Amino acid sequence: KAGVTQTPRYLIKTRGQQVTLSCSPISGHRSVSWYQQTPGQGLQFLFEYFSETQRNKGNFPGRFSGRQFSNSRSEMNVSTLELGDSALYLCASRRTSGANTGELFFGEGSRLTVL
Amino acid sequence: TQLLEQSPQFLSIQEGENLTVYCNSSSVFSSLQWYRQEPGEGPVLLVTVVTGGEVKKLKRLTFQFGDARKDSSLHITAAQPGDTGLYLCAGSDTGRRALTFGSGTRLQVQP
Repeated sequence: KAGVTQTPRYLIKTRGQQVTLSCSPISGHRSVSWYQQTPGQGLQFLFEYFSETQRNKGNFPGRFSGRQFSNSRSEMNVSTLELGDSALYLCASRRTSGANTGELFFGEGSRLTVL
Repeated sequence: TQLLEQSPQFLSIQEGENLTVYCNSSSVFSSLQWYRQEPGEGPVLLVTVVTGGEVKKLKRLTFQFGDARKDSSLHITAAQPGDTGLYLCAGSDTGRRALTFGSGTRLQVQP
């Protein structure tokens, strides 16, 4: 079965712009989580959506937002981009929500560069 | 905030050598996972350990969960170039919060 698909894979934006990233989870997976990965901070949790509801949220400013659609596809948006937002944004899906509910399946990520 | 510290951060070894990567925390985790991430790809789960003292083997990889469920180790025997990648540990607590990831150990195995 198809894996987690993230689009776009690469993008370049300038400071002040906004960006929307998309994630299609594995069929049957209802939970989608987003992570930011940078060399200095590692993998940082952004938020998790399950059945169109945000279940968990990490310690990121309000410029970072997300949503999930009825088909479980998810988008995340970053507004007023800053240089420090340059990172690999990873989406991960799993069947159910919660910390003890199995394996996360990651996509290949969307690499964002902010100039 | 739960923190997972991994050591070493970087490791460059020759093919055939053995190595151990450590994942330590002051917090107790209900389970701990190890992932490997290769360049240009997302992390892929290697193993989940849930019981204190548990040891799991995956071919040349041996994973151990500490008795107190605060730490874990990954031992690779006779490393191969295909083992090259970023190794990440991730812990989950007894609540329903997201996984906490360690900072990672970047391993390079030279042929």
